[in-house]
Amino acid sequence: GAGVSQTPSNKVTEKGKYVELRCDPISGHTALYWYRQSLGQGPEFLIYFQGTGAADDSGLPNDRFFAVRPEGSVSTLKIQRTERGDSAVYLCASSLGPSGNTGELFFGEGSRLTVL
Amino acid sequence: TQLLEQSPQFLSIQEGENLTVYCNSSSVFSSLQWYRQEPGEGPVLLVTVVTGGEVKKLKRLTFQFGDARKDSSLHITAAQPGDTGLYLCAGGSFIGNQFYFGTGTSLTVIP
Repeated sequence: GAGVSQTPSNKVTEKGKYVELRCDPISGHTALYWYRQSLGQGPEFLIYFQGTGAADDSGLPNDRFFAVRPEGSVSTLKIQRTERGDSAVYLCASSLGPSGNTGELFFGEGSRLTVL
Repeated sequence: TQLLEQSPQFLSIQEGENLTVYCNSSSVFSSLQWYRQEPGEGPVLLVTVVTGGEVKKLKRLTFQFGDARKDSSLHITAAQPGDTGLYLCAGGSFIGNQFYFGTGTSLTVIP
């Protein structure tokens, strides 16, 4: 597709389970971002990839959260031992790459995670 | 942790009224972007400002970047129901290519 694709769109899981959220960025975009958003709030930065490497993972809340981008395209956000507080919409965005921070972020529709 | 504070958090106005949304921080940013988000969708870019004191106009929307590059404002003239949505500012980091989003302003324009 032409835009950023995120799957699944909705995920309901039980406390303690492991989940994976996938992001397929726009073709040719080297920068990829993960954010977490609660209802009515602004997105909270989690991690930023430039190519295959995590350029900044300072926003990951703890070591239960991990993200990969092995081939510099698709990325997977992995959450271990989920907790109810992890419930949120996880947004992925991509951009063309380093551009002096003037580049537009293109967002997917998000993956809504609910931890029961 | 969100570096940018937006005010007001909620705003409900009648069609035709004017409004201003503020985005403030104690940090300095290389650029400032404004996005609008509708329910069930990701944010969509409205504008990018890169120079302290810069003012940009897009039809009925006017964006300003503070002289010290720490704050910004969005002014909407003659609001319309189609302006309804969550407005988000985002600051660009000088180190790396991260963008940090504000706390958000939920705008409802009543016909």
